[in-house]
Amino acid sequence: DGGITQSPKYLFRKEGQNVTLSCEQNLNHDAMYWYRQDPGQGLRLIYYSQIVNDFQKGDIAEGYSVSREKKESFPLTVTSAQKNPTAFYLCASNDRENSPLHFGNGTRLTVT
Amino acid sequence: GQNIDQPTEMTATEGAIVQINCTYQTSGFNGLFWYQQHAGEAPTFLSYNVLDGLEEKGRFSSFLSRSKGYSYLLLKELQMKDSASYLCAVMDSNYQLIWGAGTKLIIKP
Repeated sequence: DGGITQSPKYLFRKEGQNVTLSCEQNLNHDAMYWYRQDPGQGLRLIYYSQIVNDFQKGDIAEGYSVSREKKESFPLTVTSAQKNPTAFYLCASNDRENSPLHFGNGTRLTVT
Repeated sequence: GQNIDQPTEMTATEGAIVQINCTYQTSGFNGLFWYQQHAGEAPTFLSYNVLDGLEEKGRFSSFLSRSKGYSYLLLKELQMKDSASYLCAVMDSNYQLIWGAGTKLIIKP
């Protein structure tokens, strides 16, 4: 079955450390997205990529970085510059602009 | 600014009907999506409305009025498994999704 795989499901890091969240899809979708979800707030877009080797900043890109070297993969690095990194991170993809998003199961990152 | 409003929490009884409202103010409109999200899990797509009117899909229906900036999701014959958060999202003129904070629906026996 096609889908999006995020790993790990839970991640714990010490303050000051960079951490990379994995996102892989086998849906053959061109576009991929990273969202952050915090209690009481809507999903906020961190970065998105519409094609390999190209990506754009979303609304809250500061302290994050991404790469898109392969169509299937869109890893997100949470750097030590991100002031409040503890959150639930969701990766998503779709095949055209106004089609529904397919989401991975998320990674819950806790930084202490 | 762009804004999506939906109630924070609603409670309903198993077997009943519930309507979850969503109002929006966005820069342009290219469609409205409803997603269901169980706690700690990924959102899953429920419906998409781009024209005014009602879209029915089994026990779930979604309504849109573009002139009023208003949508609702109607859930019939509620089941315990419908306990989840329901997210409303609007696609603006740049095809960017603006998300509401979600409505947590609690179903009681």
